Parts: sequence; C-alpha cells; structure tokens
Amino acid sequence: NAGVTQTPKFQVLKTGQSMTLQCAQDMNHNSMYWYRQDPGMGLRLIYYSASEGTTDKGEVPNGYNVSRLNKREFSLRLESAAPSQTSVYFCASSEAGGLKAFFGQGTRLTVV
Amino acid sequence: SQQGEEDPQALSIQEGENATMNCSYKTSINNLQWYRQNSGRGLVHLILIRSNEREKHSGRLRVTLDTSKKSSSLLITASRAADTASYFCAAIYNFNKFYFGSGTKLNVKP
Repeated sequence: NAGVTQTPKFQVLKTGQSMTLQCAQDMNHNSMYWYRQDPGMGLRLIYYSASEGTTDKGEVPNGYNVSRLNKREFSLRLESAAPSQTSVYFCASSEAGGLKAFFGQGTRLTVV
Repeated sequence: SQQGEEDPQALSIQEGENATMNCSYKTSINNLQWYRQNSGRGLVHLILIRSNEREKHSGRLRVTLDTSKKSSSLLITASRAADTASYFCAAIYNFNKFYFGSGTKLNVKP
C-alpha cells in the first residue's frame, strides 16, 4: 500500500517549456487535489477532482491544466512554464465525506 | 481565499511546555482538520473536529472549534523535541474541498 505517489520528485524547467506532474493513489479515493506550497504562503489549491471524470478550479488555477485519467490518477500540466510557477507541488487524495487527506511527498519544481 | 490566517507564524518553546496555535476561516465548514509537516515532506493528518463539535482530544493533542468566531485552536501538551514541525489547519467545504492556512512553525528546544 503505497498511498499517494508523485513523480518526478525534482524538476528544473526553462521558461516556456511544458511538463506534466503525475500522481497516483491506491486507496480507492474519489477526491484528488493539486496544491502548491510557497514559503510563507501555506498550501494553495490549484485544482481538485471530486470524482473520476470531473475537475474544478481551486484558488490559483491560472497557468495549469489537469486530467483525471481514471480513479487512481490525477495529473497536473504546465503548458508554458514561468518563473512564478517555481514551487513545491503536492498531490493529495481524501476519504469520502471530506475526511482525512493523504499527501504525496511533493515535487520540487524550479523554472529558470 | 476561503482560509484565513494562522497564528502565530512561528513559535519557539522548551521541551515540556505546551504549544498553542490558532487558525481562522471565512465561511461555514463541514469540519476542520489539523496536519503536521516535517521539513520538505508531505502533510500528515493529526486530528479532525466536526462542525457540531466544540472540543476533541487525541493523545497529547486538544482541538477546539468556535463556529461563532470561525476559529479553531490546537494545543499540544508536554511538547517534545520530536514535535518540531510546521502545523496547518484545513477548513473543509462541500465535503471535498480542503483549504489550508499558512501554518505555524513550531520549534521545541531540548
């Protein structure tokens, strides 16, 4: 039982490049989330998916797209990376009813 | 943002002392949760309090919720050096939206 797995763990991009962050959970959770964490800002919700086939914007969706590929996988895509997207990105999934959330170990992304 | 502030932003105490941190939120919630983050790692769930509860205990943790003030507090009693971490509250809306505060960085000195 691996929980929530994110790949890659580290990434350096040049401005304008694109990339996809992958996330998978093996807990059969319906809800999945992408957050970014910047120093002193806490975690800000980028996008979430309440169930397979649905996605919704969070607090800071601009510059990102997401895909809920199936119940297990939720990916985050940066189409044209900008230095302002330098951050640590966390994927999470949660038990039904808004109970306990489980987090991946994070992806440290630097855009130069 | 749906989430308000946490305070203090940083807290430094001696081992054995109690640590109290607070958070506020903006609109009606389903429940409120507290999480812990060790440096550079993912968040780990600590405790959940439902909107119709006022106080909850789990081991050395005590959480209170005041829905009239839209605020919550986390008390860690008899702190240990191993409690050194950042602590975040999360306000849960629509039973599936988790909004986190900016966190309190706790340092427990041995």
